Amino acid sequence: GENVEQHPSTLSVQEGDSAVIKCTYSDSASNYFPWYKQELGKRPQLIIDIRSNVGEKKDQRIAVTLNKTAKHFSLHITETQPEDSAVYFCAASGYSTLTFGKGTMLLVSP
Amino acid sequence: DGGITQSPKYLFRKEGQNVTLSCEQNLNHDAMYWYRQDPGQGLRLIYYSQIVNDFQKGDIAEGYSVSREKKESFPLTVTSAQKNPTAFYLCASQMGGNTEAFFGQGTRLTVV
Repeated sequence: GENVEQHPSTLSVQEGDSAVIKCTYSDSASNYFPWYKQELGKRPQLIIDIRSNVGEKKDQRIAVTLNKTAKHFSLHITETQPEDSAVYFCAASGYSTLTFGKGTMLLVSP
Repeated sequence: DGGITQSPKYLFRKEGQNVTLSCEQNLNHDAMYWYRQDPGQGLRLIYYSQIVNDFQKGDIAEGYSVSREKKESFPLTVTSAQKNPTAFYLCASQMGGNTEAFFGQGTRLTVV
């Protein structure tokens, strides 16, 4: 089955800095890669996703890049703000279930 | 609010008891999932169902059971065979593969 590795497990940045979270996946058949944000005590919510026919996607301050050859994808957050503090999960799927990484706790200090 | 509802929000179980967590969705999604979340462990798949009256084990199915008698409902029973049930449980639904998964607000189960 699919295996998703996510790094780092914790990331601390100053407000205004950029943050990058990286994931690798094992199954070359995977073709959908979403990112979820989970605030403390709340449900995970989709913030951006990318499909395997696209190399990069951007939505305001967040962007995701995908390297199919290397089987890795990354989340980039620019101009971080305290409200970006949360746990971020990457995931991968083919045409079946989503497999999630273990999450990255992002802490943005004012 | 998202169309997928879990209840209760908090649940306490005595040792040796079975408890059932409810998950209902009105999104007309075919696929439904149960995940367990422990600190530092991410989201681990317990069971999933892609169609009514059919479901499959995920990575950590031991000690759990499910049913899918209706499209809208996918209850999870935590049995007494689950030795370490204290965790945050999340239900999710999807229209199909490669689409956004929508999560319920979660149920926090504690063994007392």
